[in-house]
Amino acid sequence: GENVEQHPSTLSVQEGDSAVIKCTYSDSASNYFPWYKQELGKRPQLIIDIRSNVGEKKDQRIAVTLNKTAKHFSLHITETQPEDSAVYFCAARGGADGLTFGKGTHLIIQP
Amino acid sequence: KAGVTQTPRYLIKTRGQQVTLSCSPISGHRSVSWYQQTPGQGLQFLFEYFSETQRNKGNFPGRFSGRQFSNSRSEMNVSTLELGDSALYLCASSLFFQQGANTGELFFGEGSRLTVL
Repeated sequence: GENVEQHPSTLSVQEGDSAVIKCTYSDSASNYFPWYKQELGKRPQLIIDIRSNVGEKKDQRIAVTLNKTAKHFSLHITETQPEDSAVYFCAARGGADGLTFGKGTHLIIQP
Repeated sequence: KAGVTQTPRYLIKTRGQQVTLSCSPISGHRSVSWYQQTPGQGLQFLFEYFSETQRNKGNFPGRFSGRQFSNSRSEMNVSTLELGDSALYLCASSLFFQQGANTGELFFGEGSRLTVL
């Protein structure tokens, strides 16, 4: 089955700086890669996703890049704000298997 | 439109007991999946249901089971509880059957927090 590795487990950045979270996957058949944000005590919510026929996708301050050859994808957050503080999960899915999540990155925005 | 509703929100059980958790998806959503969330392991896929049929199952022992009803509501059951089953159990619904790139946004409930003593 699919295996998703996520790094770093904790990331602390100054407000206004950029943050990058990286994930690798093992199954070359995976073709859907979402990112979920979970604020403390709340439910995970989708913030952006990318399919394997696209190399990059942007939504305001958030972007995701996908390198199918290397089997890795990354989340980029620019001009970080206090409300970006949360746990971020990457995930991958291929075929009919369930969605496999990484173990999460705790993003801390320092004022 | 009401979100995904999970009951109960909190429960405490002792080892060896069994537990049933309930999930009501967003109206019109036909796919329901379950995840176990623990601090060290993140979100782990349990199973996925569509049209009352289990479509996928994660790598969990047979003590974990589930079902989906004709109104898309779903239940999961854990029998012979162990200490390691303590976790937040999240249910997620989506509009259609999730398969590969034909995968849409998952809408999560707030979860059922199970503590096993």
